[in-house]
Amino acid sequence: GQQLNQSPQSMFIQEGEDVSMNCTSSSIFNTWLWYKQDPGEGPVLLIALYKAGELTSNGRLTAQFGITRKDSFLNISASIPSDVGIYFCAAPGRSQGNLIFGKGTKLSVKP
Amino acid sequence: DTGVSQNPRHKITKRGQNVTFRCDPISEHNRLYWYRQTLGQGPEFLTYFQNEAQLEKSRLLSDRFSAERPKGSFSTLEIQRTEQGDSAMYLCASTSSTDTQYFGPGTRLTVL
Repeated sequence: GQQLNQSPQSMFIQEGEDVSMNCTSSSIFNTWLWYKQDPGEGPVLLIALYKAGELTSNGRLTAQFGITRKDSFLNISASIPSDVGIYFCAAPGRSQGNLIFGKGTKLSVKP
Repeated sequence: DTGVSQNPRHKITKRGQNVTFRCDPISEHNRLYWYRQTLGQGPEFLTYFQNEAQLEKSRLLSDRFSAERPKGSFSTLEIQRTEQGDSAMYLCASTSSTDTQYFGPGTRLTVL
């Protein structure tokens, strides 16, 4: 079935460092989404990508829709303590618009 | 736009009891989704409504689970005869006609 593989599983970085994470699949998608989830809260949409090769920014966050349509990347520049959380990639599943999610990348930032 | 809201935020119940959760989507969104999330995993799709019609159910949605969206606005998710394995975060999301879904804060269910 469709599956999204996120890496790394977790990251522990120093404040101010840049962060890169990615999401890959054996399936092709027309949309990639990146969400951030804080403990005890629902996922919050960060960036939506709709076109292969697209590069989109949201403040210090930049995401790219891979040219093969099988992967996506998220970069965070100059990390700050409030970047702590779990970052999920998501893409449309086979059903009518339901999303499938990766297992997440847990980011910890040391002040 | 007040976002998606869910109530209650937390629910603790004893095994065998019934529980009901409510989701109020973003007002102009006609599509509403329920997901379940367990520790260390991403959300998993349960069911989907377009307006008041329930169009899809995941195989994760056992016979003990039922969802409604009677007037095409808010939705309820009921779990009958809860089991410890039902303990999870239940998330609701809504959207208009794109793949971009907006999630509520979730209801954390603990079954003792």
